[in-house]
Amino acid sequence: AQKVTQAQTEISVVEKEDVTLDCVYETRDTTYYLFWYKQPPSGELVFLIRRNSFDEQNEISGRYSWNFQKSTSSFNFTITASQVVDSAVYFCALSEAPGANSKLTFGKGITLSVRP
Amino acid sequence: DTGVSQDPRHKITKRGQNVTFRCDPISEHNRLYWYRQTLGQGPEFLTYFQNEAQLEKSRLLSDRFSAERPKGSFSTLEIQRTEQGDSAMYLCASSLVGATDTQYFGPGTRLTVL
Repeated sequence: AQKVTQAQTEISVVEKEDVTLDCVYETRDTTYYLFWYKQPPSGELVFLIRRNSFDEQNEISGRYSWNFQKSTSSFNFTITASQVVDSAVYFCALSEAPGANSKLTFGKGITLSVRP
Repeated sequence: DTGVSQDPRHKITKRGQNVTFRCDPISEHNRLYWYRQTLGQGPEFLTYFQNEAQLEKSRLLSDRFSAERPKGSFSTLEIQRTEQGDSAMYLCASSLVGATDTQYFGPGTRLTVL
């Protein structure tokens, strides 16, 4: 069975601080995808990134970066120079490879509050 | 390119009533998923369709729940004889099966059962 653990429940930082959101996953599949979604107060889940299990390259997109380490089954997300607009709940999720049922297994989410 | 839309956005009903939600996926997407999210939790998978075929249902989907996707376009999720435990956010997502298969979510329908 697949499982995603987001051990941090709430994080509060001051604007411009860097913050890392942790994600640890469990799966028996050799091919899988990892995702991060953002859920702002409006409620809609916003896709941020998808990572293939074969691709362990770290990725950077503006102030966002992701560190995928297969050896520790972790897929951590760092926001550099946080802004108030980053305040949201962030979910890490896992799915089987496309072709199968790609249903997402989500963690419980991390509530990030960025204070001015 | 419009995103996933859901209707209604909010629904308040009395216990025992039936409710129906609608989801319109991104137009070229052939997969459609339903999830349920309760307060403080991540979304949980309920069921999914590829085109008009319902291919998997979660154990969470009791007999009171039914979903359809006629003609492989929009989908409906019906809950019969609602219970207070059904109160949750119901999320719909769509994807295009293939190399990416990334799911894009709608705004959700928040159900409150009194």
